Amino acid sequence: GAVVSQHPSRVICKSGTSVKIECRSLDFQATTMFWYRQFPKQSLMLMATSNEGSKATYEQGVEKDKFLINHASLTLSTLTVTSAHPEDSSFYICSAQKPGRNEQFFGPGTRLTVL
Amino acid sequence: AQTVTQSQPEMSVQEAETVTLSCTYDTSESDYYLFWYKQPPSRQMILVIRQEAYKQQNATENRFSVNFQKAAKSFSLKISDSQLGDAAMYFCAYPLGGSSNTGKLIFGQGTTLQVKP
Repeated sequence: GAVVSQHPSRVICKSGTSVKIECRSLDFQATTMFWYRQFPKQSLMLMATSNEGSKATYEQGVEKDKFLINHASLTLSTLTVTSAHPEDSSFYICSAQKPGRNEQFFGPGTRLTVL
Repeated sequence: AQTVTQSQPEMSVQEAETVTLSCTYDTSESDYYLFWYKQPPSRQMILVIRQEAYKQQNATENRFSVNFQKAAKSFSLKISDSQLGDAAMYFCAYPLGGSSNTGKLIFGQGTTLQVKP
């Protein structure tokens, strides 16, 4: 199988604080992971590509200084929402591609609520 | 630019009946993959079915099948013998990069499927 986990599953924070979300590939190594954002009843929007050992690449319109991505190992990528504001409240989903498989495996998502 | 369009925000089907969800896309690539994902209330994304564009045969996975019309750039999902557990939001997805499959997925707007008992 190919399992991707995310932690935490949900987080509530105060405006102005930073929140870190972890994405782990549990049974395979992933040189590349992806971060998506999903608003209620809407589609997934690709935010950035997380590359192990190098800088992340961000999609147009995504603030790289606000959404810090670190891919320090072949099984872990982290997304840090810095100085969070209520408009950052959303569902964040990561995915990873298992080598040799032409499909993405998704984490269960993290619901972020900024008060 | 590649785009994926799902024109049906909501669909409903009677249990045990068949329903078809529509998807169209736009690309200049000649070889690529297409995917249908299911997102149940748990919000865990689950791969339903995958189609490789160079294959003329439509993909089938148990009760799920696709009608892939490459020239028309259409990729519809047919669910046969619908079950209550099929109720979910369904997304059509196209990976940027064509056959090289960068892994970066472009999703359609989604179709919420309701299954009536």
